[in-house]
Amino acid sequence: NAGVTQTPKFQVLKTGQSMTLQCAQDMNHEYMSWYRQDPGMGLRLIHYSVGAGITDQGEVPNGYNVSRSTTEDFPLRLLSAAPSQTSVYFCASSLQDQETQYFGPGTRLLVL
Amino acid sequence: GDSVTQMEGPVTLSEEAFLTINCTYTATGYPSLFWYVQYPGEGLQLLLKATKADDKGSNKGFEATYRKETTSFHLEKGSVQVSDSAVYFCALNRNSGNTPLVFGKGTRLSVIA
Repeated sequence: NAGVTQTPKFQVLKTGQSMTLQCAQDMNHEYMSWYRQDPGMGLRLIHYSVGAGITDQGEVPNGYNVSRSTTEDFPLRLLSAAPSQTSVYFCASSLQDQETQYFGPGTRLLVL
Repeated sequence: GDSVTQMEGPVTLSEEAFLTINCTYTATGYPSLFWYVQYPGEGLQLLLKATKADDKGSNKGFEATYRKETTSFHLEKGSVQVSDSAVYFCALNRNSGNTPLVFGKGTRLSVIA
């Protein structure tokens, strides 16, 4: 098993550009989530999904969209990047929402 | 709402020193409690967990006991190594509904030889 994979590892965007952060897992996990990690803030939940076709907002959803068309993939879309979205983004998955979460290696995003 | 508070870092220790990282929580019901560790340049990985009061989670020499009376889940290790240098996150998960993990802000540990 590859576990949870994320691409790209690093990305630089200009303000206003759009992009999609990819996340995939091969463990047949139902629950997937996106977090951002900022200095002194810990991890904050952006969006999460409890299964294909079902998504919900977390603590800081503004400026981000998600969809879950398959069990394996959970992409995060930035429609119009802003400098405030400079952060490290982590995707995580678990068999069910109360189970241990497995994290990807992260995507470091810099918005200029 | 649910929350996790852990001690501010950074924490700097000499090799073989005793480690304690404090974690307290606020939650309704009976949450599960976790410690995750993040090594430099990597994602988070589960270190240990406890699912009910008085349970002790342990892994790699680290231990934490679920104390409902003090709403705490302090992380301890008797003798730290340089390789333990990382950021440690305390987290909780309410065992009901579609609720995600709630994380503390993390505590950075540096162990020097």
